[in-house]
Amino acid sequence: GENVEQHPSTLSVQEGDSAVIKCTYSDSASNYFPWYKQELGKRPQLIIDIRSNVGEKKDQRIAVTLNKTAKHFSLHITETQPEDSAVYFCAASGGGGGADGLTFGKGTHLIIQP
Amino acid sequence: NAGVTQTPKFQVLKTGQSMTLQCAQDMNHNSMYWYRQDPGMGLRLIYYSASEGTTDKGEVPNGYNVSRLNKREFSLRLESAAPSQTSVYFCASSYRVDEQYFGPGTRLTVT
Repeated sequence: GENVEQHPSTLSVQEGDSAVIKCTYSDSASNYFPWYKQELGKRPQLIIDIRSNVGEKKDQRIAVTLNKTAKHFSLHITETQPEDSAVYFCAASGGGGGADGLTFGKGTHLIIQP
Repeated sequence: NAGVTQTPKFQVLKTGQSMTLQCAQDMNHNSMYWYRQDPGMGLRLIYYSASEGTTDKGEVPNGYNVSRLNKREFSLRLESAAPSQTSVYFCASSYRVDEQYFGPGTRLTVT
């Protein structure tokens, strides 16, 4: 099955700086890569996603890049703000050929220092 | 639209007791999922239902059963709860294979 590795587990950045979280996946058949943000005690919320036919996608301050050859994808957050503090999860799916769920990384705790 | 709803929000069980976690969605989604979340482990798929009438095992199905009651509802049953099943349980749904929306979660403690 699919295996998703996520780094770092904790990331502390100064407010206004950029943050980058990286993930690798193992199943070359995976074709969908979402990123979720989870605040303490809340449900995961989709913030951005990318499909395997696209190399980069941007939505205001957040962007995701995908390198299919290397099987890795990254989340970039620019001009970080205090409300960006949360746990971020990457995930991968599609390798099973059907609606077989997401395989998640273990998460990155992003801390924005004022 | 309420989106994805789950009941109960919190539950404490003794070892060996049984219970059913309920999940419902009002987005007309075809696929529904159950995940568990443990500290430092991310979310792991327990069972999923690609469409009404079908269910399949995920990564960690042992100790659980599911029922896709209709298109809206997908329940998760613990027949004989164990302390290792202490976790936060999330239900999710999606229209297509991929874009999943999560419920608020059920925090379960087994003593």
